Amino acid sequence: DIQMTQSPSSLSASVGDRVTITCRASQSISTYLNWYQQKPGEAPKLLIYAASNLQSGVPSRFSGSGSGTDFTLTIGSLQPEDFATYYCQQSYSTRQITFGQGTRLEIK
Amino acid sequence: QVQLVQSGAEVKKPGASVKLSCKTSETSFTKYAIHWVRQAPGQRLEWMGWINAANENTKYSQNFQGRVTMTWDTPASTAYMELSSLRSEDTAVYYCVRGSLIVVETLYVFDIWGQGTMVTVSS
Repeated sequence: DIQMTQSPSSLSASVGDRVTITCRASQSISTYLNWYQQKPGEAPKLLIYAASNLQSGVPSRFSGSGSGTDFTLTIGSLQPEDFATYYCQQSYSTRQITFGQGTRLEIK
Repeated sequence: QVQLVQSGAEVKKPGASVKLSCKTSETSFTKYAIHWVRQAPGQRLEWMGWINAANENTKYSQNFQGRVTMTWDTPASTAYMELSSLRSEDTAVYYCVRGSLIVVETLYVFDIWGQGTMVTVSS
């Protein structure tokens, strides 16, 4: 199975900050990488697909980049509604789809 | 807006089975697949498999092979997921999610999620 590892596991930031979350795959996955946001008690929400494509309706302050094994999710200017947990997911190995362990973004 | 509406919470004893439902408002559901993803308390998301609503073909995660069965009811526009031989580690929120069959690269991109069903396995 392809292992997905996110860093950091948690971070504290302030409204207006620029934040970057990293996701690393245990082997190359090209750009088959998706990002989700999950708020407490809610289902995850798709933010970015294929590493850098913004899902319809998602604010442009969210962006994604990377290919191969290293990927980043960047939030350009944090808003109060952005405090949540973020997950990466690889869709390269369809034999076993896997997710990262999550990054919890908290208010400083 | 397409919605996936899931059945209510379940409490089961170890060794039992549970069958969850997921009704879609999607009218072109044959263009989509329904996946099931679960999340145990404090754990990462875990993919279980998917069903093609057009032909009812299934693909299951190796982690659940032999224990999971996914089915589709066309007249009811509803997907079902049955998990057998339940154990305490199966306690989790189970989500049905949509993937598109239109472009193969988007089959495993989960753009619509159900609200989730909590399954508790306890003696």
